[in-house]
Amino acid sequence: QQQVKQSPQSLIVQKGGIPIINCAYENTAFDYFPWYQQFPGKGPALLIAIRPDVSEKKEGRFTISFNKSAKQFSLHIMDSQPGDSATYFCAASSTSGSARQLTFGSGTQLTVLP
Amino acid sequence: DSGVTQTPKHLITATGQRVTLRCSPRSGDLSVYWYQQSLDQGLQFLIQYYNGEERAKGNILERFSAQQFPDLHSELNLSSLELGDSALYFCASGRSSYNSPLHFGNGTRLTVT
Repeated sequence: QQQVKQSPQSLIVQKGGIPIINCAYENTAFDYFPWYQQFPGKGPALLIAIRPDVSEKKEGRFTISFNKSAKQFSLHIMDSQPGDSATYFCAASSTSGSARQLTFGSGTQLTVLP
Repeated sequence: DSGVTQTPKHLITATGQRVTLRCSPRSGDLSVYWYQQSLDQGLQFLIQYYNGEERAKGNILERFSAQQFPDLHSELNLSSLELGDSALYFCASGRSSYNSPLHFGNGTRLTVT
């Protein structure tokens, strides 16, 4: 059962555009929402993260918007650059017993055209 | 560099065979996670270890097993391999706090022919 739904599957924007990637979840036990960036041949790397008591978090050109009541969150990339071309995964974290678990969305392949 | 080392980088083997993937976590990280990444399934959580003990199981097949050793490195054993097991296998390590990020290795690409 997919617990974190991510869309779109792929996205193509022009340089300087603002790609937006959306995620939705159902499990209210999730208490931490990170985004990971993955380049070809590499493992995912943490990009930015947010807690559910915050509605927005900005780090450089990357912004997470969080809507707790709708159980949705999104990643915005301002002034996108060709170097941002990568696969982006949203994730949601919760504690189960003594274990902390991270559930990933299905990923969005972003292409930024020069 | 994430500090997580996975070996080998590539592995090609035949159906029915058994392979072992190895992971050395980042210095100081006690938790090790294994994920499978295939084109149509995204990142699927397999199993988690914390300081040598199994903590959580995800969608891990019975043909697969893992362990974490006293020096904290971990091994993922895949047996009776099938074509559908071809995928990227990632190891990640982290600390126990809720906002501690996972640090991923660069993965082992397994091809079953």
